Amino acid sequence: GAGVSQSPSNKVTEKGKDVELRCDPISGHTALYWYRQSLGQGLEFLIYFQGNSAPDKSGLPSDRFSAERTGGSVSTLTIQRTQQEDSAVYLCASSPWTDGTQYFGPGTRLLVL
Amino acid sequence: GENVEQHPSTLSVQEGDSAVIKCTYSDSASNYFPWYKQELGKRPQLIIDIRSNVGEKKDQRIAVTLNKTAKHFSLHITETQPEDSAVYFCAASIPGNQFYFGTGTSLTVIP
Repeated sequence: GAGVSQSPSNKVTEKGKDVELRCDPISGHTALYWYRQSLGQGLEFLIYFQGNSAPDKSGLPSDRFSAERTGGSVSTLTIQRTQQEDSAVYLCASSPWTDGTQYFGPGTRLLVL
Repeated sequence: GENVEQHPSTLSVQEGDSAVIKCTYSDSASNYFPWYKQELGKRPQLIIDIRSNVGEKKDQRIAVTLNKTAKHFSLHITETQPEDSAVYFCAASIPGNQFYFGTGTSLTVIP
């Protein structure tokens, strides 16, 4: 079946603009995760959704970052007033349950000029 | 919260030799330990995982061992090939909680 998809694949924006990144998880997966990966670095946890529970936002680096998940499926990560240090690859992953295998999307490569 | 440490950060081996990557975790409640391989410019992909009710799992040239008492787990790759070159991440998961990833190991297999 279809894997995790993300859009756009690449995004170039100007400093100060807002951006929205989209993640379509695997159908039926209840858990959804967002990570940020800077060049040559590890996976930085941002936010985690599990079913209808309140999301775990403990990894969001500032209040410019927010995410929502509508209808328990598609998720959108929004970055307001982008800064150059926001440039990174943003990865989404979904899992059939809380401690199940995570399947990653291809990522959105964000460049803030 | 959980803390996962991964060593070494870089590893070079000759083709055909074995490679071992080690991770330690801090929270004894963690019960799921996956390993991901990330090739340059691509997404992380699961290569093997282990749950806390077993001590070792093997899949062809790849094996993972888990020592719950010592809170560490290791990835073993035998008969390495150039296509094994990638960054490898370990992770630990506590039930009902997020995943905690290690910082990654860049493996280079020299032909």
